[in-house]
Amino acid sequence: QQKVQQSPESLIVPEGAMTSLNCTFSDSASQYFAWYRQHSGKAPKALMSIFSNGEKEEGRFTIHLNKASLHFSLHIRDSQPSDSALYLCAVSDMGYKLTFGTGTSLLVDP
Amino acid sequence: ETAVFQTPNYHVTQVGNEVSFNCKQTLGHDTMYWYKQDSKKLLKIMFSYNNKQLIVNETVPRRFSPQSSDKAHLNLRIKSVEPEDSAVYLCASSPRQGQNTLYFGAGTRLSVL
Repeated sequence: QQKVQQSPESLIVPEGAMTSLNCTFSDSASQYFAWYRQHSGKAPKALMSIFSNGEKEEGRFTIHLNKASLHFSLHIRDSQPSDSALYLCAVSDMGYKLTFGTGTSLLVDP
Repeated sequence: ETAVFQTPNYHVTQVGNEVSFNCKQTLGHDTMYWYKQDSKKLLKIMFSYNNKQLIVNETVPRRFSPQSSDKAHLNLRIKSVEPEDSAVYLCASSPRQGQNTLYFGAGTRLSVL
């Protein structure tokens, strides 16, 4: 059964800093990797996703995937107070089940 | 822009009661899901339906039963709730089979006294 772990559990960064969030998974057959963001009391919302090894950038957000290491990460450039939220990584084998990680709580200090 | 609607937002009940939660999506998606988010914010899939057909049924207690009248609606019934059922229940949809981007509703928070 897929195991998805995130680190760190929580993080406080100053406004303008680079934030790095990590996710490890256990199933080497996984094909889809995503990050979701959930503001307090709100619905989780998909941020970005990646299918193949390498890097993908969208605005201030970059996702890195290394399938051989069973690891992917999210980097937030110029972190803003509005980025304060729970970040959830998610992994799938392209079936019906998306398995979520344990979450990282991010606080951006203005 | 909300397109996955859940009711109620909150529900407080006592041990042993029956509860029902409703979910409707207006995105025209084929696949719908129920996830449970516990007090540690861990999201776990409970059920998945594709075009009214149950396709994923994780190991959840038998007191939980999903119900789908059409592909836009997926409800969840819990018979005889237990204290450990206290959680946020999140409904989600995705465009089609194997398309993994999920669109979540805001959730129903259940408190069992």
